[in-house]
Amino acid sequence: DAGVTQSPTHLIKTRGQQVTLRCSPKSGHDTVSWYQQALGQGPQFIFQYYEEEERQRGNFPDRFSGHQFPNYSSELNVNALLLGDSALYLCASSEGTATYGYTFGSGTRLTVV
Amino acid sequence: GESVGLHLPTLSVQEGDNSIINCAYSNSASDYFIWYKQESGKGPQFIIDIRSNMDKRQGQRVTVLLNKTVKHLSLQIAATQPGDSAVYFCAEITNSGGSNYKLTFGKGTLLTVNP
Repeated sequence: DAGVTQSPTHLIKTRGQQVTLRCSPKSGHDTVSWYQQALGQGPQFIFQYYEEEERQRGNFPDRFSGHQFPNYSSELNVNALLLGDSALYLCASSEGTATYGYTFGSGTRLTVV
Repeated sequence: GESVGLHLPTLSVQEGDNSIINCAYSNSASDYFIWYKQESGKGPQFIIDIRSNMDKRQGQRVTVLLNKTVKHLSLQIAATQPGDSAVYFCAEITNSGGSNYKLTFGKGTLLTVNP
């Protein structure tokens, strides 16, 4: 049973560019949440997708957007990259939005230069 | 700002000792708490959880204690092993409206186990 898979594992981008990160949820899970984890910090909630809609959003600018597909997989897009966007981006899946059972992927390490 | 914080950023113990990692939270409405372990290059891994109507829960070598009076959470690891070396996060789940729940993390404690 595959857990949460994220791609790519590492990525280097230049300031001002755009990036797309991908996440496939654990089998049986239909909800995907995205987190940003800066070095030495705890993960910060970006947003959550359920039924192909953004259900909740953390304190992140509109440069951060996402999408969920009918197969429950999800993408995180970041436009106009800043140096401060360098972080580990984590995807967590769960079964429904009213749940305590989150499973995390290993993340995508984004470096903005 | 964050509603979950940790008392100590680092903890170093000898192999075989017991470890205690502490966490303070500020949101009295939180109804569920989770401890995660994060090893280098990996995502957070679930260790143990506790509901707000409980004050203690035990797992294999781990125990979580919840003191709602002082809004304090602790993770106890018995007979700590080198493989326990990692960053440990406490996290709380709060209802953010309707059927939506949000998971909020603290900053983490780096546990180093010396052989």
